[in-house]
Amino acid sequence: DTAVSQTPKYLVTQMGNDKSIKCEQNLGHDTMYWYKQDSKKFLKIMFSYNNKELIINETVPNRFSPKSPDKAHLNLHINSLELGDSAVYFCASSQEKSFRTSGRNEQFFGPGTRLTVL
Amino acid sequence: GNSVTQMEGPVTLSEEAFLTINCTYTATGYPSLFWYVQYPGEGLQLLLKATKADDKGSNKGFEATYRKETTSFHLEKGSVQVSDSAVYFCALSPSSGSARQLTFGSGTQLTVLP
Repeated sequence: DTAVSQTPKYLVTQMGNDKSIKCEQNLGHDTMYWYKQDSKKFLKIMFSYNNKELIINETVPNRFSPKSPDKAHLNLHINSLELGDSAVYFCASSQEKSFRTSGRNEQFFGPGTRLTVL
Repeated sequence: GNSVTQMEGPVTLSEEAFLTINCTYTATGYPSLFWYVQYPGEGLQLLLKATKADDKGSNKGFEATYRKETTSFHLEKGSVQVSDSAVYFCALSPSSGSARQLTFGSGTQLTVLP
């Protein structure tokens, strides 16, 4: 029943490790996103993905890479984790058919994954 | 570039008090404007939206009016409840450009006391 789901909910790992966060949406949406929320609750877009077209926020390190096996999934892979990567990561999806449509559609968010790097 | 400025929190109110959370934006053209709410331990969910000037979005007793002349989208509720305690985010989606990415304000923590 969950519209946008993420796994795991909590992830604790050591610096230097590689980890993945999975995201799935069952809404039939065409566009998916990854956001990072820091300890002060500030939300920042990381990636937008639509039909194999990827928009990357220029501030995102290339250690982060989204991978989409199909339209319903957009996983986030992180290499060589650093202390500063500790945050809550949210996946979201929307009905936007492309990056050139209205932008009026709401985004549906997953419950978040709290990543702690030790 | 696009930006959203929200009043800083935290905001603490007594139950049944009137709530206003200010939000102003900077963007070209006519962006769509949103208020999202994040309850403790959960993801964000849409509270209300407005897609053109003078539109009023409303939901669960909350309202916000898209004011192009003042570039504002202030959130109001006449009588808050304890269950309204959450973090509120103002956001915009641009009307042009290569991607319809949301730009969020910094969030306002609201605590309602019984």
